[in-house]
Amino acid sequence: QSVLTQPPSASGTPGQRVTISCSGGSSNVGTNTVSWYQQLPGTAPKLLIYSNNQRPSGVPGRFSGSKSGTSASLAISGLHSEDEADYYCATWDNSLNGRVVFGGGTKLTVL
Amino acid sequence: EVQLVESGGGLVQPGGSLRLSCAASGFTFSTYSMNWIRQPPGKGLEWLSYISGGSSTIYSADSVKGRFTISRDNAKNLVYLQMHSLRAEDTAVYYCARDRFDGSHYVPFDYWGQGTLVAVSS
Repeated sequence: QSVLTQPPSASGTPGQRVTISCSGGSSNVGTNTVSWYQQLPGTAPKLLIYSNNQRPSGVPGRFSGSKSGTSASLAISGLHSEDEADYYCATWDNSLNGRVVFGGGTKLTVL
Repeated sequence: EVQLVESGGGLVQPGGSLRLSCAASGFTFSTYSMNWIRQPPGKGLEWLSYISGGSSTIYSADSVKGRFTISRDNAKNLVYLQMHSLRAEDTAVYYCARDRFDGSHYVPFDYWGQGTLVAVSS
């Protein structure tokens, strides 16, 4: 059971906008910044978003992040077939002495 | 180019030990903190351990505290994960990942290695 709750699956058609939620509590998402990772099949995870809404260089502008209270969201606009992947949120948890916690992951299917 | 390459995985019997290594290149290794993260087959990510650039700060997940130890050798650009008393539930792909600070924001896990598989079975 993950400390951060993500929907196990999400789907969309090419060109659509999809959002993935990440729900936590006051000791984690409510207090600390959230990052998002994309894991394509058979590969290592890749950083997509850090500090709630910052994109590393090279990450397309179609990917955006936001946070409100104890929930964070990843939005993907103009969905591409190559966006089909697992997506994970992560943050620190102050009740665990600042250890990092991940969400359970969301499998995004592009129909 | 930043590169992280894990090694040392393999098949080990329950109760056994294994030491994983992560070789870093393409950046000034001693100035970056490093982490180990694992992923059981078909499951999600679990953060395991963190070590600061100078090894002065170490954090570990409760699930592996007392069994797994992170360390680093800045002269060799290597970070290690020593694992003892291995259990079937430790079977996973183990990744090393770098943290950085961009001047304004802390950037966790900005680069990952390709992972090394540890299988614990008799």
